Amino acid sequence: GDSVTQTEGLVTLTEGLPVMLNCTYQTIYSNPFLFWYVHYLNESPRLLLKSSTDNKRTEHQGFHATLHKSSSSFHLQKSSAQLSDSALYYCALSPHYGGSGNKLIFGTGTLLSVKP
Amino acid sequence: AQTIHQWPVAEIKAVGSPLSLGCTIKGKSSPNLYWYWQATGGTLQQLFYSITVGQVESVVQLNLSASRPKDDQFILSTEKLLLSHSGFYLCAWSWFSAETLYFGSGTRLTVL
Repeated sequence: GDSVTQTEGLVTLTEGLPVMLNCTYQTIYSNPFLFWYVHYLNESPRLLLKSSTDNKRTEHQGFHATLHKSSSSFHLQKSSAQLSDSALYYCALSPHYGGSGNKLIFGTGTLLSVKP
Repeated sequence: AQTIHQWPVAEIKAVGSPLSLGCTIKGKSSPNLYWYWQATGGTLQQLFYSITVGQVESVVQLNLSASRPKDDQFILSTEKLLLSHSGFYLCAWSWFSAETLYFGSGTRLTVL
């Protein structure tokens, strides 16, 4: 079945270092949508990035990710971590647009903790 | 602008007691509506979705039910809570399927 894997449960970084959060997915469909949602403490989860285009970099708020269908990956990156980036990050998959169940499949989430 | 209001913020309930959680979306007509649940240490799981009033589809069986009595309202309920129902419940809406989800602030449910 469809699934999303985020291998790191917790990533602890020093401010200023680069961020890379891993996300891989499995689906039989050839045109999935991939998303990164961010959940700050005491706020609602919200969309950070999304993409359905192979090998095209998408950017928002200093973060970027590229969907690579060949490796079924959608890693989240940022060149320099800030204290305010500390949050829970979810990678999510929509197997195909308008798919049955309007289903978004989430990974287990990666908690990013940025220290001074 | 669209707003989503979820209630209550938190609940502590006894096993076997009933539950009703609610969600209201303002500023958007005929949204797709969703209920998500996250067990402690687990991932977000979609429980239900609805694309129109009176129509709700179940995604995961957890001895819960959902209803959409009005275009802007989505209710999650059960007559008998189980310990396994504990967790964080999120209501969300979207314009279309596979598009961006807009989440409410969530309800933290503790079943004792």
